[in-house]
Amino acid sequence: DGGITQSPKYLFRKEGQNVTLSCEQNLNHDAMYWYRQDPGQGLRLIYYSQIVNDFQKGDIAEGYSVSREKKESFPLTVTSAQKNPTAFYLCASMDRRAINEKLFFGSGTQLSVL
Amino acid sequence: SQQGEEDPQALSIQEGENATMNCSYKTSINNLQWYRQNSGRGLVHLILIRSNEREKHSGRLRVTLDTSKKSSSLLITASRAADTASYFCAAGGTSYGKLTFGQGTILTVHP
Repeated sequence: DGGITQSPKYLFRKEGQNVTLSCEQNLNHDAMYWYRQDPGQGLRLIYYSQIVNDFQKGDIAEGYSVSREKKESFPLTVTSAQKNPTAFYLCASMDRRAINEKLFFGSGTQLSVL
Repeated sequence: SQQGEEDPQALSIQEGENATMNCSYKTSINNLQWYRQNSGRGLVHLILIRSNEREKHSGRLRVTLDTSKKSSSLLITASRAADTASYFCAAGGTSYGKLTFGQGTILTVHP
């Protein structure tokens, strides 16, 4: 089955701790994205990567970091600098060769602060 | 920043009725997309309409786009309990691949 796998589904962070959310895709997509979703809200873009070894900040990048060492993987680290990390985090990918800009999403990671 | 705004924020209907959700956006777009999200899950792409199109159909879905008013609507006909979900519009602008999402409409369909 082709798709996007996010892990873990639930994650708890202690104060001052960095945590890393995993996102893996086997769709052979070049572009990958991280979104944050707060309760009752839409999605806000944290970081995105259009090609391996390159990534750009989205609208709310402060307190987050990413890497893109492999096409299949785009992990997100929530650092201790992110003071309000509790949210639902969604990873997505897109085939940039396609005419449309259709996003494929993983099933999300719920991050909570202990 | 959020480009799209959707209304209503919540919609409650009976099975068999039609559901209409509206989306407004602020800047020029190349396309407008609609996604569905079941509670606690990722989003699933439903339909895309390009800026030079006015209406598009897919099964029980009908999307319209009015670029002069910077607005779009999603109509779900003959709704089913399984349509219960949140629906989001997403605007595709001049920067390819960067979609801006609205805040969503929560649709509840009662059996």
